[in-house]
Amino acid sequence: QVQLQESGPGLVKPSQTLSLTCSVSGGSITSDSYYWSWIRQPAGKGLEWIGRIYTSGSTNNNPSLKSRVTISVDTSKNQFSLKLTSVTAADTAVYYCARGFYRVRGGIGEYYGLDVWGQGTTVTVSS
Amino acid sequence: DIQMTQSPSSLSASVGDRVMITCRASQDINSFLNWYQQKPGKAPKLLIFAASSLQHGVPSRFRGNGSGTHFTLTISSLQPEDFAAYYCQQTYSAPEFTFGPGTKVDIK
Repeated sequence: QVQLQESGPGLVKPSQTLSLTCSVSGGSITSDSYYWSWIRQPAGKGLEWIGRIYTSGSTNNNPSLKSRVTISVDTSKNQFSLKLTSVTAADTAVYYCARGFYRVRGGIGEYYGLDVWGQGTTVTVSS
Repeated sequence: DIQMTQSPSSLSASVGDRVMITCRASQDINSFLNWYQQKPGKAPKLLIFAASSLQHGVPSRFRGNGSGTHFTLTISSLQPEDFAAYYCQQTYSAPEFTFGPGTKVDIK
């Protein structure tokens, strides 16, 4: 059974870079038909999609976060990572990593839900 | 970008009640709509994918319906463990797989 675990600093200073890693266990990050995602949730608020990555290295990110987001994958470590630059207090949230599944039909990707989630890690942006 | 709305934003119900939550997309998303349940302090849990497909292990009292821009999640007989927040999410249009704002279901 695949499990995900987020890790990284719980406190980041304003203007610095938030860096988190998601470790995948119980299965390979290179398995077919999966994409790997980051989602965040400020306290008491809803879920915000950050972005996703495939093991090919191809990514898609939330335009609202502009160029501050970098998602990368390290298949040798069975991990993927999130970097968010120039953080402010508005980036304070619980950050989740998750696995999504998809299939290709007629050369077009069809994307489905996030079926495995990490437990989440709280990141506070404060000086 | 596709915007998602949910109604109601919250509701109070009793054990055994039938509950329906609505999710609307700002444009046609075919059937690429997922539903999640989230309990306080926990990660979301996938209930329904592709609008109406029940995720493995999810009780059959959860039912998803809809296509295009209008979707519903119905809980046929609310159980004590169902009191939670529910989110819809579109996975039709990259780059952002937008979530709805959520519906909180609490005890009447």
